[in-house]
Amino acid sequence: DAGVIQSPRHEVTEMGQEVTLRCKPISGHNSLFWYRQTMMRGLELLIYFNNNVPIDDSGMPEDRFSAKMPNASFSTLKIQPSEPRDSAVYFCASSPEPGTSGGGDTQYFGPGTRLTVL
Amino acid sequence: KQEVTQIPAALSVPEGENLVLNCSFTDSAIYNLQWFRQDPGKGLTSLLLIQSSQREQTSGRLNASLDKSSGRSTLYIAASQPGDSATYLCAVKGPGANNLFFGTGTRLTVIP
Repeated sequence: DAGVIQSPRHEVTEMGQEVTLRCKPISGHNSLFWYRQTMMRGLELLIYFNNNVPIDDSGMPEDRFSAKMPNASFSTLKIQPSEPRDSAVYFCASSPEPGTSGGGDTQYFGPGTRLTVL
Repeated sequence: KQEVTQIPAALSVPEGENLVLNCSFTDSAIYNLQWFRQDPGKGLTSLLLIQSSQREQTSGRLNASLDKSSGRSTLYIAASQPGDSATYLCAVKGPGANNLFFGTGTRLTVIP
């Protein structure tokens, strides 16, 4: 299995531009998570989906952030317009059905997208 | 809201030394606790997962303990090696929820 795939790995953009981050979860996993990691705040959950449905988006900082999961194999996190304070590493993670024997309680992380907003 | 704290923020030890990383959490009503490893520029890799009913888990040179009532967990690394150098994060999962609350991590450097 290729693991969780994220693209791009690095993104440099200017303030005000739209940024779209992409994630392909592990096949068969039905939960998907978007996290943001900064030096100041560590890892923070932004939103998570279960069976393609957003369950908890309370971590999404403001209306400039939006996330979609049109199907079980693809999700996007969009920032429009971007601001310098959005600079961070954004991780996507997926997990099997909660409570599944073995791996159901573990999340599998992608390599992250390092976003720099100038 | 659950808050997770890790001490120390950074640790440097000579190769071969045994070491302990600490994690504390404010809400003892957890479903499980995990320890992750993060290498520079990489994602997180799960090392050990302890269910709320368990007291410890072991994998090779790693041993994680959980004291839910006091809101504490430790990760013990025996005979440390330079390859153990990484950032270690603990994360707790609450009951009835699928999200994790992460600590800010301990950056470990093992000196050859």
